[in-house]
Amino acid sequence: NAGVMQNPRHLVRRRGQEARLRCSPMKGHSHVYWYRQLPEEGLKFMVYLQKENIIDESGMPKERFSAEFPKEGPSILRIQQVVRGDSAAYFCASSPIEDSTDTQYFGPGTRLTVL
Amino acid sequence: DAKTTQPTSMDCAEGRAANLPCNHSTISGNEYVYWYRQIHSQGPQYIIHGLKNNETNEMASLIITEDRKSSTLILPHATLRDTAVYYCIVKSNSGYALNFGKGTSLLVTP
Repeated sequence: NAGVMQNPRHLVRRRGQEARLRCSPMKGHSHVYWYRQLPEEGLKFMVYLQKENIIDESGMPKERFSAEFPKEGPSILRIQQVVRGDSAAYFCASSPIEDSTDTQYFGPGTRLTVL
Repeated sequence: DAKTTQPTSMDCAEGRAANLPCNHSTISGNEYVYWYRQIHSQGPQYIIHGLKNNETNEMASLIITEDRKSSTLILPHATLRDTAVYYCIVKSNSGYALNFGKGTSLLVTP
C-alpha cells in the first residue's frame, strides 16, 4: 500500500508567482490535512478536507491561500502571488474514513522556496 | 485539546532503551495521546497512540499513568536511525488538528 504522495518535492518560485502543491492520499483514505512548517518551527495545521468539501480551514491565511480536494484526483494547495514568507515545508496527511481515532499519516512534504 | 510538556532534548546510547516523557496534566477523558517523530525534515512518522491502557507495537511502547496526566514513550533498543524530534500530542476524536509543539530532540549516540 503506497503511502501519502506529494509532488513536487521541491518547488522554487519568484515573488508574485503561483505555487500549486499536490497531495495524493493513501489508498482508501478520504480525509486530507495540510500543515506548514516554517524554518526552525513546528508544524502548524492549515486545513482539513474531505472529498469535495472543506471541513476546517481555521489555520489557513485569509488571503492568497486556497485548498481543494476534488472528487477525482489529488488534493491541491494553491498559493497565489507568493512572498518570501511563504517559504516553508508543506506537509499533507491523510486518514481513513473507518478509523474512529483518525490517525493521520504524513507524506514527505513539498519544500517551497520563494526567491 | 490539552497542552503537553516535553523535555527539549535527550541523549541515549545505541542499544539502550530510550524513555521519552510527556506531561499532559489537563487531558480530558475523550482525548488520546499520540506520538509522532520527524527525522531531519522528513514528513512526520506516526509511532503509536493510546487512550488509557498501555500500548505496544513494532516500533515502541506507550505507558500512560493511571491518572492519565503523563505518559512515556519507550523505544526498547534505540538505534542511530531513531535520532529525531519526538512529538507528544493530545487530541480528541472530534478534533482535526495535530498540535506539534516543540517536541523532544532525541540523539542516539554510538
